[in-house]
Amino acid sequence: GAGVSQSPRYKVAKRGQDVALRCDPISGHVSLFWYQQALGQGPEFLTYFQNEAQLDKSGLPSDRFFAERPEGSVSTLKIQRTQQEDSAVYLCASSPDRGYNEQFFGPGTRLTVL
Amino acid sequence: AQSVTQPDIHITVSEGASLELRCNYSYGATPYLFWYVQSPGQGLQLLLKYFSGDTLVQGIKGFEAEFKRSQSSFNLRKPSVHWSDAAEYFCAVGADNFNKFYFGSGTKLNVKP
Repeated sequence: GAGVSQSPRYKVAKRGQDVALRCDPISGHVSLFWYQQALGQGPEFLTYFQNEAQLDKSGLPSDRFFAERPEGSVSTLKIQRTQQEDSAVYLCASSPDRGYNEQFFGPGTRLTVL
Repeated sequence: AQSVTQPDIHITVSEGASLELRCNYSYGATPYLFWYVQSPGQGLQLLLKYFSGDTLVQGIKGFEAEFKRSQSSFNLRKPSVHWSDAAEYFCAVGADNFNKFYFGSGTKLNVKP
């Protein structure tokens, strides 16, 4: 079956531009997660959705970062007024329920801010 | 605070040799532990997980890991490495009722022919 997909796979933005990154989770998965992976580092948690509810956004680094999942399926991570330090791979993961389970990861979007 | 430490940034082993990747965690409650592998340009793939029970867990691709509570460790092992195992490996601990994972910084594995 189809896994988690993300688009675009690569995004180059000029500093100050807004970007939107899309995640299509596995169909029927309740939980959705966003992570930021800087070069040479492990993924760091950004935010978590259970269906359409954003239950945890403690990892968002600033108020320039915003995520939504309005219908409980597709999610969008938006970064306003991008800065060079935002350059990273943004990973999306989904999980079938809110309990103890593995997370299924997408291939990521590599964002480069010039 | 929860954290995961992977002390080895890079490891090189010869094909056919055994492998052990180290992982130490800090977590106040019973940890839920994972090992993921990431190939270039790919997402993270789950190798194995530990929730409870037998402290030696088997995963895919011939990998296994042993949970040692006394050492706060969850080391990944493979008895005979294949060239296709070259990738980056991440240890993670699940926290806050699995609302988030905490990842280590990864170990990059090179395999010599």
